[in-house]
This record gives sequence, C-alpha cells and structure tokens, in this order.
Amino acid sequence: EVVMTQSPATLSVSPGERATLSCRASQSVGSNLGWYQQKPGQAPRLLIYGASTRATGIPARFSGSGSGTEFTLTISSLQSEDFAVYYCQQYNNWPPLTFGGGTKVEIK
Amino acid sequence: EVQLLESGGGLVQPGGSLRLSCAASGFTFDSYAMSWVRQTPGTGLEWISAVSSGGSSTYHADSVQGRFTISRDNSKNTLYLQMNSLRAEDTAIYYCARGSWGWGGSFFAYWGQGALVTVSS
Repeated sequence: EVVMTQSPATLSVSPGERATLSCRASQSVGSNLGWYQQKPGQAPRLLIYGASTRATGIPARFSGSGSGTEFTLTISSLQSEDFAVYYCQQYNNWPPLTFGGGTKVEIK
Repeated sequence: EVQLLESGGGLVQPGGSLRLSCAASGFTFDSYAMSWVRQTPGTGLEWISAVSSGGSSTYHADSVQGRFTISRDNSKNTLYLQMNSLRAEDTAIYYCARGSWGWGGSFFAYWGQGALVTVSS
C-alpha cells in the first residue's frame, strides 16, 4: 500500500498570502496524484489531477507540481473561500487508492 | 449536470446490515467505474470499494473485505454498497464517487453528498 503523508497538518495563513502544501508518497506514483478541497459539511472537491492539471472550473490561483514521491499544491493568493482542508490522493498503485491525512488551511 | 445521490444511511446495531444506494444522473453511467469512499467524523478519507463500468470487476479495501460488497445496476443507473457484520469503527459518512474511466486507479471529479452510517447499540 502506498502511504501518503501530508505536511503540515495545519497551515495558518493570512488572506492574500501564498500557501504551500506538501504531499509525499512512500513509493513513486508517477504523476498520478490528485488534490481535493473539503469544507465542513461538504463532499471533497477535485482541484488538481495528473499532479498539475486543474480540474474544470478551478481558479488559476491553484497550482500543482511534482512527480514521483514529492508533490506540492500552491495557492498563490488565499481568498476567504480557500480556508478548508486539503487532501492528496494517489491513483497509480492500486488497490487500494490512498489519501493523505489532510492539511487544514486556517486564517492567521 | 452530473449528480450522485446517496441514500440508505442510518443507525444500525453492531453486527447488523445496511445497504447504501447511489443514484446517478447527468452522465453515461455504464461508461465509468464507481467507488465508495468513507470519512470518519473529524478524520480523513478512506477508499473502500470500486466496481468497473460493466460491473464484472470489483475491489474492496482490506478493512471491509468479506463484509462489504459493491455492485451496480446499469439499467437503473444505481450503485450499491451492501454492508454486513457492521462494527462501531464502520461509523462514517459514506460517499459515492465517479471514477475517471471504465476501470483502473482513478481520481474522483464527482462525489455525492454523503450518507451517514452510525453503528451503535
């Protein structure tokens, strides 16, 4: 099983600032990595797939990078609606599909 | 518009059974693999089951293997999860999610709103 580790667990950021979230895989997953945003009481929302491709309707301030075992989600200028929990998910080596433990982005 | 609507959640005693359904619309249901993903309140996401577009192939996570069964009825555009021998640790919100192709590892662009399953005496 591929273990996905996200850091930090919590990120305190001021609106307008840049946020950088990390995701590490226990073995290479190529570029088969997705990022999701989840707000309280809502289902996860796909932001990025293929490590760097924005999903339909996702603003350009969200960008993904990386391959192999190291991945990054960057939010260039945090808006109020971006404060949420973010998860990475690998879909290269399955079953099982595996998610990271999440990074909570909170208002500083 | 793609829609996934779960139903069938509720309170069940340990050792009991429950069947979740997920009604799909807005896309060609029999072209996509489907999965169930659960989330324990306050914690992260756990993929538990997947079924291929035609229904002939399935996978289950070790945590539910032998107790849960995923299936689909393409004539009804509906996904199911039969959950038997339920345990307290199965208490979670269960989401159905659409895969990105007919089979294989996938990300999930579409999710249902979730169904809460509570296992308690």
